[in-house]
Amino acid sequence: GAGVSQTPSNKVTEKGKYVELRCDPISGHTALYWYRQSLGQGPEFLIYFQGTGAADDSGLPNDRFFAVRPEGSVSTLKIQRTERGDSAVYLCASSLGAGSNTEAFFGQGTRLTVV
Amino acid sequence: AQSVTQLDSQVPVFEEAPVELRCNYSSSVSVYLFWYVQYPNQGLQLLLKYLSGSTLVKGINGFEAEFNKSQTSFHLRKPSVHISDTAEYFCAVSDTGGGNKLTFGTGTQLKVEL
Repeated sequence: GAGVSQTPSNKVTEKGKYVELRCDPISGHTALYWYRQSLGQGPEFLIYFQGTGAADDSGLPNDRFFAVRPEGSVSTLKIQRTERGDSAVYLCASSLGAGSNTEAFFGQGTRLTVV
Repeated sequence: AQSVTQLDSQVPVFEEAPVELRCNYSSSVSVYLFWYVQYPNQGLQLLLKYLSGSTLVKGINGFEAEFNKSQTSFHLRKPSVHISDTAEYFCAVSDTGGGNKLTFGTGTQLKVEL
């Protein structure tokens, strides 16, 4: 498809388990962003990539969270030892460049529920 | 660091009535301003953005917003709403210094009624 694709759309996992969330950006977009949206809140920035490297990971809440983008396209957000507080919708966005004036296109998100 | 305040969590309005969704921001640096809309079961979609120039910005679906630097506001308006405008609306800012890292408000649920 032409838009940002995120899989799975829903993920239920048990507390303590490891999960991976995948993002396929729009083809040709060099910048990729991860956000987390908790219930009743706006999206919160986690990390952004310019190409293969993480340009800013200041939003990652702790060392249980990690993200990669090995070939500069698809990205995976990895969460270790999940906790109930990690339950949220995880949003991915991509843009042509990393300039603040370039439009970011969002995927539909992955709803993560930790039970 | 920046912050965004959307004071109204819900705004009910009748169809064909005008609406204003309020957004105030706080920042120690220059910012760009955005409004995004999230329809049920869909991703965030950009409505409009202010980068520079004219403080009145027109976006898609008949929406517009006005940047007021002295009041640090960027309120969203539409003169006549439609049922299809029912959605969650998010105001966001980013640092003009580089990177497209957005800081969002908590959102305003617009509910258009017949």
